[in-house]
Amino acid sequence: GQNIDQPTEMTATEGAIVQINCTYQTSGFNGLFWYQQHAGEAPTFLSYNVLDGLEEKGRFSSFLSRSKGYSYLLLKELQMKDSASYLCAVNDYKLSFGAGTTVTVRA
Amino acid sequence: EPEVTQTPSHQVTQMGQEVILRCVPISNHLYFYWYRQILGQKVEFLVSFYNNEISEKSEIFDDQFSVERPDGSNFTLKIRSTKLEDSAMYFCASSEREDSLFEQYFGPGTRLTVT
Repeated sequence: GQNIDQPTEMTATEGAIVQINCTYQTSGFNGLFWYQQHAGEAPTFLSYNVLDGLEEKGRFSSFLSRSKGYSYLLLKELQMKDSASYLCAVNDYKLSFGAGTTVTVRA
Repeated sequence: EPEVTQTPSHQVTQMGQEVILRCVPISNHLYFYWYRQILGQKVEFLVSFYNNEISEKSEIFDDQFSVERPDGSNFTLKIRSTKLEDSAMYFCASSEREDSLFEQYFGPGTRLTVT
């Protein structure tokens, strides 16, 4: 079975940093993806990790520890447009998604 | 930039009716997927499709659902007899390959409302 947990909501201030944690227990693992989803829209790809460690992509970074079944997405220099839901997804030749973390950025 | 397209953007149907949701994946992609998201819930995998056959399907994808690639560009999801609980956003996705090195690109979705 697939069990992917992430916090439901987070609030942060414009310009700050927010870290969204994701823990997973899945029957298969072929990489971990992070997607952003604005309300009523499709998920858009942000980052992925296959091996342990940190991947940096502009203002977004993602970390993976396969032994701990743990990942996080780090959003730096938050902007108002970053207010969205952030989805952690395990790839096992299909994507199994967590419920998403709604991030609200306040001025 | 190439993108996945879906039609219609919104479909309203009565319970028991058949619906066909259409998708045009990115042209050089080989793997195709359908996901659904019930309002307020997580995105759920329905089915994956490669080389003109289903690769994997979830428990949700029962006999009421079918997929087809009728020509070289379209990829369709058919629900034979819709139920109220089929109301959801349906996303089509495609990727070059199925492994983790290749992201899945999502279409904008079709909002299905069953009344």
